[in-house]
Amino acid sequence: SYVLTQPPSVSVAPGQTARITCGGNNIGSKSVHWYQQKPGQAPVLVVYDDSDRPSGIPERFSGSNSGNTATLTISRVEAGDEADYYCQVWDSSSDHPDVVFGGGTKLTVL
Amino acid sequence: QVQLQESGPGLVKPSDTLSLTCAVSGYSISSSNWWGWIRQPPGKGLEWIGYIYYSGSTYYNPSLKSRVTMSVDTSKNQFSLKLSSVTAVDTAVYYCARRGKGGSNFDYWGQGTLVTVSS
Repeated sequence: SYVLTQPPSVSVAPGQTARITCGGNNIGSKSVHWYQQKPGQAPVLVVYDDSDRPSGIPERFSGSNSGNTATLTISRVEAGDEADYYCQVWDSSSDHPDVVFGGGTKLTVL
Repeated sequence: QVQLQESGPGLVKPSDTLSLTCAVSGYSISSSNWWGWIRQPPGKGLEWIGYIYYSGSTYYNPSLKSRVTMSVDTSKNQFSLKLSSVTAVDTAVYYCARRGKGGSNFDYWGQGTLVTVSS
């Protein structure tokens, strides 16, 4: 089955840029989606199809995807961005199509 | 505004069947979307359980397929999950969600419901 690998944690000072990676075999050929989850809340979609933003999501959130790595970039990080972030793909490469989530990355705002 | 709301028992005994329902409001479940279930064990990451279409077509997580059944009730605008032969490892917050039309992301989520498997 397809595996997505995320760093367990990323720390950044307010106002700086946070980059959260999601690694997978030839992930550049897939559409990657990113979710933000704050404690006790449901996940919220922040980037879909590699780099598109749902309405209401600040332009500070952006995404890219190439080769074996997708990246969620959060510019001008704010305290309110502190959360867990998950990447997700739809893997249709096998006989058993599967939704795959990365293990999640905890973003800490210092 | 699309809203999803999970409901069902918060406590299930080992070896029993977990049953949850997701009521959808503000949107017709018969529109061209897939509807999904995702779970999250306490302190852990997200795990996809499966999708269902309003016609009844399904995709299940291969690792759970033997124990999962999903159904849809278009007259009540809701869909359901049954997970059989549960054990403590099935203890989790269960979310229902809408798959984005034409895409593979989940654009609307329910608030989640904690199901504990314990005797």
